[in-house]
Amino acid sequence: GQNIDQPTEMTATEGAIVQINCTYQTSGFNGLFWYQQHAGEAPTFLSYNVLDGLEEKGRFSSFLSRSKGYSYLLLKELQMKDSASYLCAATDSNYQLIWGAGTKLIIKP
Amino acid sequence: GAVVSQHPSRVICKSGTSVKIECRSLDFQATTMFWYRQFPKQSLMLMATSNEGSKATYEQGVEKDKFLINHASLTLSTLTVTSAHPEDSSFYICSARDPGGHTEAFFGQGTRLTVV
Repeated sequence: GQNIDQPTEMTATEGAIVQINCTYQTSGFNGLFWYQQHAGEAPTFLSYNVLDGLEEKGRFSSFLSRSKGYSYLLLKELQMKDSASYLCAATDSNYQLIWGAGTKLIIKP
Repeated sequence: GAVVSQHPSRVICKSGTSVKIECRSLDFQATTMFWYRQFPKQSLMLMATSNEGSKATYEQGVEKDKFLINHASLTLSTLTVTSAHPEDSSFYICSARDPGGHTEAFFGQGTRLTVV
């Protein structure tokens, strides 16, 4: 079956760095997305990886290893507003999005 | 980026009544839209895939007679929760992608439904 695994919750300190991991098993693969979702709001797009390697976008970076079925989202210089859930979603051979359960990130002062 | 507009953002209804939620793609034609439900502290759960001009495809366990989906045009899909009950209270979110499905999903603002 198809499956996405990511940690349920993580805690980090303001100003620090945190890495949120995601592993996936899908029928075919056509890229991986990361979304941020604040409580009570719709998800917002953060990044998309389809090739191996690191994509950097400001304070956020995303990494993909297709051979390992693994991705991570790296958040630097954490701010309190980064407290949110981070959703990993892989695209299968039919371009359907398979969603992870999300990682709730708690930022402490 | 593309914009998807969802309305209403919040609705409170009495048990037994029906509620309609609209989802519009504002600057692109979405042949396919997706309807999700999200309970507190849980991930997105795909309810159905809405196909323009044809019947929606429902996920296992989702009652098609209770959650009516209409996708009459390339820019509008509606979800009607019929005979709503308190257990239907949830956050409903629609999503659309470009016709090729090769880009990220764009989400509506979500609808917080409370059935009393």
